[in-house]
Order: sequence, then structure tokens, then C-alpha cells
Amino acid sequence: ILNVEQSPQSLHVQEGDSTNFTCSFPSSNFYALHWYRWETAKSPEALFVMTLNGDEKKKGRISATLNTKEGYSYLYIKGSQPEDSATYLCAFPRGSTLGRLYFGRGTQLTVWP
Amino acid sequence: DVKVTQSSRYLVKRTGEKVFLECVQDMDHENMFWYRQDPGLGLRLIYFSYDVKMKEKGDIPEGYSVSREKKERFSLILESASTNQTSMYLCASSLSQGNQPQHFGDGTRLSIL
Repeated sequence: ILNVEQSPQSLHVQEGDSTNFTCSFPSSNFYALHWYRWETAKSPEALFVMTLNGDEKKKGRISATLNTKEGYSYLYIKGSQPEDSATYLCAFPRGSTLGRLYFGRGTQLTVWP
Repeated sequence: DVKVTQSSRYLVKRTGEKVFLECVQDMDHENMFWYRQDPGLGLRLIYFSYDVKMKEKGDIPEGYSVSREKKERFSLILESASTNQTSMYLCASSLSQGNQPQHFGDGTRLSIL
């Protein structure tokens, strides 16, 4: 079974702080890397799908970078707000059925007002 | 926008019952997935389907079966429900490639008494 590692497991920050967390994945046979946000009582929502080494994507105050050679991706949140509180999941397709994703266990972010 | 609809938000069943969880998507996606989410364990894939009548086991298929008779509908069946199947169940769909995001339903919180 593929291991997708996310760190830290949880994070508590004050409103206005910027924060970042990491997703590590095997660098061989890279195809794509997904980031999802999962708010409490809602369904996971896709943030980014990244495919190119060095790729950087941005959505409002959230951005992500990708290093496929060393097998990691960073998710950054600038000026965190309470509504950013959620679990952030990364996922990695692998194998003959590329639509199947292997999810990390997520980083649970809590932003205190 | 893609809509993935799960038939029940909350469900309570008894041990030994046969339980059906239904999922419908409206975007003609090839892939459909069933996950369960338990505290500390992240999202674990139970089964997925890449076409009508086609299915593959995920990481934890024991005690479950699935049915996909029509492209838009994917059913998860607990053949004889047990208390260790109490969990949050999430359905998702996507296009066939691994660089396409998955779209999730709101989840079914299933309790087996």
C-alpha cells in the first residue's frame, strides 16, 4: 500500500498567522498530486490538482507548491481566518487505475479568533 | 457544478441487517468510489467502479459489496451489518484520469446497534 504522509497531524494558529504544511509522496512514476479541504459537517472539496514539477497554484489566500523530484508538496495559507479551519488532505493516484487516489491522513487546522 | 447525492445523511440499523447506501452523480463520470472515514484513520477506500458493472476492491472491502447497474448510481451494500461498520461513509465520483479531482457527497453517518 502506498504511503502518503502529511505533517503535522494538527495545527493551531491565531487569526492572521500564516501557516504551511507538508505532503510527502513517492517520487517515482509521478502522475499528479491532489489537495482537498474538508470542513466539519461538509464534504471534502478539491482545492488543487498539480501535475508539473515546480508547479505553483493559488486560490485566494491558499497556495500550493510541488516538487516531484524529491516527492513533496507544501500548502500555504496566508493570513489564516477562522473559516480556514478544516482538515487538509493530499492524495496521489498510482497504478493502472489512475482515477483511484491514495489519501494521506490529513492536517487538521484550527484557527482561533 | 457536479452534484453527488447520497441517499441518507444519518442512518441507524441493527446488527445483522442488510444495509444499502445509495449514491448518485449527475456529471456522467466514469469513476465512482466508496470511502469510510474513522477518527485517526483518514479516508479509506472500500470499493470503486470505473465503468458500469465494473468494480475493484479498495483497501478494506471485507463485509461490503457494491453494485453499479447504471453509470450515475453506485450502491454500497453491507451484507450483514456489524457494530464495527459504524462509521461515516463518503461517496465520490470523477472522470477517469488521475489528474481529475474527485467530487464528494455529503456523507452518511451510519450507526449499527
